[in-house]
Amino acid sequence: DQQVKQNSPSLSVQEGRISILNCDYTNSMFDYFLWYKKYPAEGPTFLISISSIKDKNEDGRFTVFLNKSAKHLSLHIVPSQPGDSAVYFCAASDSGTYKYIFGTGTRLKVLA
Amino acid sequence: GAGVSQSPSNKVTEKGKDVELRCDPISGHTALYWYRQSLGQGLEFLIYFQGNSAPDKSGLPSDRFSAERTGGSVSTLTIQRTQQEDSAVYLCASSSDKRDQYFGPGTRLLVL
Repeated sequence: DQQVKQNSPSLSVQEGRISILNCDYTNSMFDYFLWYKKYPAEGPTFLISISSIKDKNEDGRFTVFLNKSAKHLSLHIVPSQPGDSAVYFCAASDSGTYKYIFGTGTRLKVLA
Repeated sequence: GAGVSQSPSNKVTEKGKDVELRCDPISGHTALYWYRQSLGQGLEFLIYFQGNSAPDKSGLPSDRFSAERTGGSVSTLTIQRTQQEDSAVYLCASSSDKRDQYFGPGTRLLVL
């Protein structure tokens, strides 16, 4: 039973356009969410996070939106750049614990 | 470098052999996690160490898997009698709190 789902295994976007990566979760206890970016042969690197007390968090070109009623979050990258091409993982946790449940990842390809 | 390091970076072994994977966390980080990423899958939690507390081993897939953390620093993940389904990338992460995890580059294990 996957508690965190990324239903799109891959996404291609033209350079300069917006990339939207989606993530759905099932556990209503989750209240902290993160996005990680992973390049081949490297470990994931932290990108941006959001707490359930917010519905949006922005950091430069990256914005995460949280819709608690729909148990859905999304990562927007605008404008997309070729260097953004990587696998993106969303992760969720209940802040009372230390366990993060990760999605299966979405491979983003930004075309020059 | 001040990041999380893992060794070896790649390991090829024969079915039935034991393997040891090592993780050096960021100095001062009290929390250490092991994850596994199988092909096409997300990051699967294996085990968590926090300070001197008993580790949370709830993610270990079988009793062939064990891990220890000596002196609150370096950790070793041991897989006994390896099976082909153990082939995966094993990722280690460390954290100074419950939120931000810093990942190592991973060990790619291939069991023939």
